[in-house]
Amino acid sequence: EAGVAQSPRYKIIEKRQSVAFWCNPISGHATLYWYQQILGQGPKLLIQFQNNGVVDDSQLPKDRFSAERLKGVDSTLKIQPAKLEDSAVYLCASSLNPRATNEKLFFGSGTQLSVL
Amino acid sequence: GENVEQHPSTLSVQEGDSAVIKCTYSDSASNYFPWYKQELGKRPQLIIDIRSNVGEKKDQRIAVTLNKTAKHFSLHITETQPEDSAVYFCAASGFGGGFKTIFGAGTRLFVKA
Repeated sequence: EAGVAQSPRYKIIEKRQSVAFWCNPISGHATLYWYQQILGQGPKLLIQFQNNGVVDDSQLPKDRFSAERLKGVDSTLKIQPAKLEDSAVYLCASSLNPRATNEKLFFGSGTQLSVL
Repeated sequence: GENVEQHPSTLSVQEGDSAVIKCTYSDSASNYFPWYKQELGKRPQLIIDIRSNVGEKKDQRIAVTLNKTAKHFSLHITETQPEDSAVYFCAASGFGGGFKTIFGAGTRLFVKA
């Protein structure tokens, strides 16, 4: 089966610029997650969608980060304006349906963001 | 909210020896505990998981144990091989946390040939 697709693979921007990441989950997966992974740390959950609704965005810095999942499929994560501390790998993951004990996460390859 | 602590942060073993990584979680409502392996520059991939109604699960050289009373779980790798070298993450999720999967900080495992 096709995996979770993410683009771009790498992005280099200057601070205060804007950037957007795209994710296409595995077909049929109801739940989509965006994680931020800073070098040497574990993935930190930014936002979780169930279909096209937000389940949790408590760790999303809403003054600069936004995310949407239109039609319950693809999702975009945007940072505007970017700060140096946003440099990280942004991982998108999907799962079939954690509410039905299908919690296994499938990760995309990630987008490595460098803010200069 | 849920918090997952993982130890040690770095582990170095000789090929053929066993490796043990330990995690504790804070939310007693957590009921699903996966372990992910992340090789350098690659995505995390699930290697084994355990649910709260089971105390132990084994898959070839890897096993996971869960102590719900103490709220800790462990990953055991036996007969380690150089290709086991990677970063391992424990995680926890459950109804109480809205089915969020919260990760530990990771353990970098080095297997010396």
